[in-house]
Amino acid sequence: GQSLEQPSEVTAVEGAIVQINCTYQTSGFYGLSWYQQHDGGAPTFLSYNALDGLEETGRFSSFLSRSDSYGYLLLQELQMKDSASYFCAVPFTGGGNKLTFGTGTQLKVEL
Amino acid sequence: DAGVTQSPTHLIKTRGQQVTLRCSPISGHKSVSWYQQVLGQGPQFIFQYYEKEERGRGNFPDRFSARQFPNYSSELNVNALLLGDSALYLCASSLAGQEYEQYFGPGTRLTVT
Repeated sequence: GQSLEQPSEVTAVEGAIVQINCTYQTSGFYGLSWYQQHDGGAPTFLSYNALDGLEETGRFSSFLSRSDSYGYLLLQELQMKDSASYFCAVPFTGGGNKLTFGTGTQLKVEL
Repeated sequence: DAGVTQSPTHLIKTRGQQVTLRCSPISGHKSVSWYQQVLGQGPQFIFQYYEKEERGRGNFPDRFSARQFPNYSSELNVNALLLGDSALYLCASSLAGQEYEQYFGPGTRLTVT
């Protein structure tokens, strides 16, 4: 099976930098995706890492280490609107394409 | 372009009833997936369809079924509803080969009483 573990909650202040970690156990690993979900909303795609290293998209960056089965999402210059749940997810093609989502991290940004 | 649309937005059903949820993918997306999200958890994969064929099924009972139509829209059916089926049901579409980047609809909030 597959499992992805994340911290359940992270709190940070506006303007700060926060890192949300994800460790995974999967078979047929193809890469790690990150999604953001505000309360009552739908998940929205943030980034995808197929290869080791850092991918930067504006204030958000994502990192992957395949050898360590580990990745993280880095949010810089935090804003109040970044308060949301963040999920890592892995796609795999064994038996049908789908996403397996992590346990989710609720990020609270405070003034 | 319109995003993924789902209907209805909210639904209240009684135990034992049947429900049908509907989804229209983004134009040009041929892959549609369904997820169940219980409060406080991540979405759980139910089904994936591509070109009207089932390409994957998650660990859900046979009470759950789905289909995809020639226009790539999809329906999710749940029979013999249980209280535990109360959840947000999400539909997502993606381009072939880019399943890591899925576009989610707003979801249908199903409450079973």
